[in-house]
Amino acid sequence: KAGVTQTPRYLIKTRGQQVTLSCSPISGHRSVSWYQQTPGQGLQFLFEYFSETQRNKGNFPGRFSGRQFSNSRSEMNVSTLELGDSALYLCASSLIARGGLNTEAFFGQGTRLTVV
Amino acid sequence: LAKTTQPISMDSYEGQEVNITCSHNNIATNDYITWYQQFPSQGPRFIIQGYKTKVTNEVASLFIPADRKSSTLSLPRVSLSDTAVYYCLPLGTNAGKSTFGDGTTLTVKP
Repeated sequence: KAGVTQTPRYLIKTRGQQVTLSCSPISGHRSVSWYQQTPGQGLQFLFEYFSETQRNKGNFPGRFSGRQFSNSRSEMNVSTLELGDSALYLCASSLIARGGLNTEAFFGQGTRLTVV
Repeated sequence: LAKTTQPISMDSYEGQEVNITCSHNNIATNDYITWYQQFPSQGPRFIIQGYKTKVTNEVASLFIPADRKSSTLSLPRVSLSDTAVYYCLPLGTNAGKSTFGDGTTLTVKP
């Protein structure tokens, strides 16, 4: 079956612009989580969506937002881009087992965002 | 929230068994210990997941003691292609909120 698909793979934006990244989870997976990875900060959790609702949220400013559609596809938006937003943005999809527990998460290849 | 601690780096040689230990003192009752492998500029790849005792699959084994405050990923007979960063992560209802931590950079030498 198809894996997690993230688009675009690479993106270059200018400071002050906004950007929207897309993630299509594995078929049947209803949980989508987003992560930011930078050399200095490692893998940091942004937020998780389940059934079109944000279920968990990390410690990122309000410029970072997301949403999930009825088909479980998710988008992440970053407004007023800063140089420090340059990173690899990863999304992961997982099943939600009984009791609301996440099973193993499967990651996409990521979107490499460069802010200049 | 569960915080994980792993060795920053480890070196090994081809054909050896490698054991990477992760400390997770504040793991929640519902959390499963999950290990991932990541190559540069790629997303993490799921390796193995367990709750208690021992789990084995075709690529690795995972040992979790009764108190669940630590876990050990065992990679049998590593090869050069196993050079990567390895992360442990408690996964449960707060998926992702327990951050990945710095991971362990494993370097396999010929």
